[in-house]
Amino acid sequence: DIQMTQSPSSLSASVGDRVTITCRASQSINSYLNWYQQKSGEAPKLLIYAASSLQSGVPSRFSGSGSGTDFTLSISSLQPEDFATYYCQQAYTTPRTFGQGTRVEIK
Amino acid sequence: QVQLQESGPGLVKPSETLSLTCTVSGGSISSFYWSWIRQPAGKGLEWIGRTQTGGITNYSPSLKSRVTMSLDTSKNQVSLNLSSVTAADTAIYYCAREYTNSSGRTFDYWGQGTRVTVSS
Repeated sequence: DIQMTQSPSSLSASVGDRVTITCRASQSINSYLNWYQQKSGEAPKLLIYAASSLQSGVPSRFSGSGSGTDFTLSISSLQPEDFATYYCQQAYTTPRTFGQGTRVEIK
Repeated sequence: QVQLQESGPGLVKPSETLSLTCTVSGGSISSFYWSWIRQPAGKGLEWIGRTQTGGITNYSPSLKSRVTMSLDTSKNQVSLNLSSVTAADTAIYYCAREYTNSSGRTFDYWGQGTRVTVSS
């Protein structure tokens, strides 16, 4: 299985801050990397696919980068509705695997 | 707009089989992979497996011996059976559509999830 490791596991930030979350794969996954946002009590929502493509309807303050084994999700100016848990997921091969999640909390 | 709705018993006894159904509306289930993903309370997401028309399946190696998935195209439903359950199988179970194109492969539609507790 490909292991996905996110860092940090949690972070505290203020509205307006720039936030960066990293995800590392245990082997190369090319650009088959997706990012999801999950709010409490809800299903995950697709934010970024293919490492850097913004899903339709997702605000442009979200961006993704990387290829191979190292990836980042950035939020340029954190908004109140962005406080949630974020997961990376590799779609290079089965079994599909997720990172352990990064919880973004209000400072 | 594609919508997914999971259904099934909320309580299953240890050693029994967990059976869930995902009903898809707003689109055909043909030509897509349909995955089941679970999430224990307060924990992360675990992919259980996926199925497509033609009986094509891929399962997580850790669950493969206990999992069966299938499609019913006449009812636009996806099913999950997980046998010999234990308390470790207690989780919210999601179904999700996997969409593939030249750009990538994503879980683009998700159900709202159904909570399953394994307890006697």
